[in-house]
Amino acid sequence: DTAVSQTPKYLVTQMGNDKSIKCEQNLGHDTMYWYKQDSKKFLKIMFSYNNKELIINETVPNRFSPKSPDKAHLNLHINSLELGDSAVYFCASSQDIVRGPAGELFFGEGSRLTVL
Amino acid sequence: DQQVKQNSPSLSVQEGRISILNCDYTNSMFDYFLWYKKYPAEGPTFLISISSIKDKNEDGRFTVFLNKSAKHLSLHIVPSQPGDSAVYFCAASGTALIFGKGTTLSVSS
Repeated sequence: DTAVSQTPKYLVTQMGNDKSIKCEQNLGHDTMYWYKQDSKKFLKIMFSYNNKELIINETVPNRFSPKSPDKAHLNLHINSLELGDSAVYFCASSQDIVRGPAGELFFGEGSRLTVL
Repeated sequence: DQQVKQNSPSLSVQEGRISILNCDYTNSMFDYFLWYKKYPAEGPTFLISISSIKDKNEDGRFTVFLNKSAKHLSLHIVPSQPGDSAVYFCAASGTALIFGKGTTLSVSS
C-alpha cells in the first residue's frame, strides 16, 4: 500500500496550458511538501503545508498554486505552463514540520512534467 | 546559492570495497543532517541521519561522519553491494530540508 502517491507519473503538455498534479499520503502525517528536481538535479523545496496551512512558500512563480483540501492531500496546480517548468515534481510528507530528529521525509515516486 | 554541496556527481566502486560519499555545507546553523537514497523512477528514501551534536552515527553497513569545523559530512558504506547503486542525496535541516545535487554511486560485481 503506497504511503505517498502522486498522479500522474508522466505529463506531457504544451506551453500555455494549465495542469495539476495530485498527491495523497496515508501515513497520517501533518505536514506535506512539494519539491522540484530540475535538469541540474537539485531537489528544491517549493511549498510546505502543515494541517492544511501554508508554512513554506519559496520563491515560486504565482503560476504555481498548491491546494490542500485536507491534511492527507496536497495538490499542485500550474497555470500558463512554460518550458522552464519541465522537471520532476516530488510530493513528500513528514510527521511534523521538518526539524532535527523529525527530519525524515517520505517521498512519492515523482511526476515528470514535460512542457513542449 | 548552494547551501549543501555534493561536488562529486558520480562514484564507481567494486563490490566489497568501501564507498565514501562526501557533502559540504555552508550554514553553521544547520542542526541535523540526513542522507537519502534514490533509485530510478522512485522517490528518495531516508537512509541515515546525524545530529550536529554528534560526530558519528552508524547503522549496519552505513556510517555517517560529521566534521562541524570543516562543515563536512561523509557517508561510508562498507562493504558496498551492487544493490547500493543509486543516487545519494545529502540534506540539511533548516526551515525545510535542503538537498544537495546528489552523487550517483555505481557498485560493480
